[in-house]
Amino acid sequence: NAGVTQTPKFQVLKTGQSMTLQCAQDMNHEYMSWYRQDPGMGLRLIHYSVGAGITDQGEVPNGYNVSRSTTEDFPLRLLSAAPSQTSVYFCASSQGYHGYTFGSGTRLTVV
Amino acid sequence: DAKTTQPPSMDCAEGRAANLPCNHSTISGNEYVYWYRQIHSQGPQYIIHGLKNNETNEMASLIITEDRKSSTLILPHATLRDTAVYYCIVRVAGSGGSNYKLTFGKGTLLTVNP
Repeated sequence: NAGVTQTPKFQVLKTGQSMTLQCAQDMNHEYMSWYRQDPGMGLRLIHYSVGAGITDQGEVPNGYNVSRSTTEDFPLRLLSAAPSQTSVYFCASSQGYHGYTFGSGTRLTVV
Repeated sequence: DAKTTQPPSMDCAEGRAANLPCNHSTISGNEYVYWYRQIHSQGPQYIIHGLKNNETNEMASLIITEDRKSSTLILPHATLRDTAVYYCIVRVAGSGGSNYKLTFGKGTLLTVNP
């Protein structure tokens, strides 16, 4: 039981490049979400999903796309990376009233 | 979701109990209190949650006042590894839409000193 797995752990992008951050969970959780965390700040919700085929925007969705084709996977796409998207990205999953399980994060730098 | 208020920082001596307070005076009857912590650079970790009764697990105890307007997370014997930012969050527990959403504040930085 691996929990929530995020890949890659580190990534450097050039401005304008696109990439996909991967998130997978093996707990059959209904809910999955993406957060970003900037230095000295709390976590901000980007997008979330309550099941396969269902996604919705969070607090800071601009510049990011998501899709949920399976229960297990919830990738986050950066369409055209900008320096303002330099951050640490966390994926989380949950079911019912249980607490969230977070991944270990992807540290993204956009130069 | 109801807003929460936590002190920005606290200190605790190693081996002593750490008591972290949280005010949530606008909590609704169907909102639970959740606690998470984030050790430097790691993903947040779920600690405990409760509705109105006190709760205890292997990590901590959660004491919720009778009027549910505040709560205290207790780490009974703090160690250096408990140094982290602790987040108190209230949310409607259960499936469906925005019930799942967690809004993180700035939390309390607990520093456990040797």
